[in-house]
Amino acid sequence: ELKVEQNPLFLSMQEGKNYTIYCNYSTTSDRLYWYRQDPGKSLESLFVLLSNGAVKQEGRLMASLDTKARLSTLHITAAVHDLSATYFCAEGDNYGQNFVFGPGTRLSVLP
Amino acid sequence: KAGVTQTPRYLIKTRGQQVTLSCSPISGHRSVSWYQQTPGQGLQFLFEYFSETQRNKGNFPGRFSGRQFSNSRSEMNVSTLELGDSALYLCASSLVQGNSPLHFGNGTRLTVT
Repeated sequence: ELKVEQNPLFLSMQEGKNYTIYCNYSTTSDRLYWYRQDPGKSLESLFVLLSNGAVKQEGRLMASLDTKARLSTLHITAAVHDLSATYFCAEGDNYGQNFVFGPGTRLSVLP
Repeated sequence: KAGVTQTPRYLIKTRGQQVTLSCSPISGHRSVSWYQQTPGQGLQFLFEYFSETQRNKGNFPGRFSGRQFSNSRSEMNVSTLELGDSALYLCASSLVQGNSPLHFGNGTRLTVT
């Protein structure tokens, strides 16, 4: 059974601090995705990671993928309040569009 | 470019009734997926359609069904509603290429009383 775990599930941090969200997945899939969901809103695609060692950066967020460890990380640099949201990682299978989502990490950035 | 459109945004139904939700994908996107989101179970995959054919199906009872039309628009139906079906139902579309991310609609909030 495909399973995606995220750690931590809740994260409260102060503005200006750095932190990392971890995503462990269960298969040898080489497709890992990160999404953001604001309260009451839908999910927005952030990053698509398709190979071992892939690194993508957008603003204060940087995502990486280690397929051998089955681990992806989402690193937050110098957090700002606007980053407060729930972040999901998702593993995609290699045959279609069946994605397995992690439970989400609810991030609160405090002023 | 218009995003994924889901209708209706909110629905209140009674146990035992059935409901149909609608989804219009982004123009050019031929794959449409449906997900159920609840506080307890998180995001769970329901099914995926491509070219009017169901390609993948999640672990949901047969009360949950869907279809896709020739213009890629999709509907999902839930029959004999149960209280546990209360959830946010999200539709997502994507390009044919397997590496494409999902583009989600705003969802339909279904409440079963």
